Amino acid sequence: EPEVTQTPSHQVTQMGQEVILRCVPISNHLYFYWYRQILGQKVEFLVSFYNNEISEKSEIFDDQFSVERPDGSNFTLKIRSTKLEDSAMYFCASSGDRANTGELFFGEGSRLTVL
Amino acid sequence: RKEVEQDPGPFNVPEGATVAFNCTYSNSASQSFFWYRQDCRKEPKLLMSVYSSGNEDGRFTAQLNRASQYISLLIRDSKLSDSATYLCVVFPTSGGSYIPTFGRGTSLIVHP
Repeated sequence: EPEVTQTPSHQVTQMGQEVILRCVPISNHLYFYWYRQILGQKVEFLVSFYNNEISEKSEIFDDQFSVERPDGSNFTLKIRSTKLEDSAMYFCASSGDRANTGELFFGEGSRLTVL
Repeated sequence: RKEVEQDPGPFNVPEGATVAFNCTYSNSASQSFFWYRQDCRKEPKLLMSVYSSGNEDGRFTAQLNRASQYISLLIRDSKLSDSATYLCVVFPTSGGSYIPTFGRGTSLIVHP
């Protein structure tokens, strides 16, 4: 069964460092998302990506964040200068249609710990 | 009012019990509704979509009440393996965003 894969599964970094989280969405999917979940809290939307550009982003997705689809398969989330409050599980998701018509497929997540 | 609201629980029930969760949403124009399941420290996975007429999948029944702006999930004959957090997902939310918005989830613990 096709799946969304994410790397790394866990990353520990120092405050102020740059972090890149990688995702390989399901190959024929068109819509890509990053969500995050702080421990014990809700799943929060960060950004959606379609047709090689950002389609929507939340207030959380400030100038410290960026996304790229550099090679047609990987979908990356970069945090330029990490803060303690960026510690969370980051989930990548993809869907074949706009998400109102179908399922979001999530990767297993990348746990980011900022010290 | 929060866009998508759920009772966090936990709901603590014995095996075999029937349990129901509600989820309220604020945008009367919302079109699509889903229930996802999330196991501890894992990714969310789709449990079922919620259709206007209500739908059933085995022991799980989902209903939509547009007038009162809530959706519900009923689990019959609970199993130990049903222990998880159940996430309500709605969109569009206010402002017409086409992004699925998650409630904070309702925790279910099924005990022997």
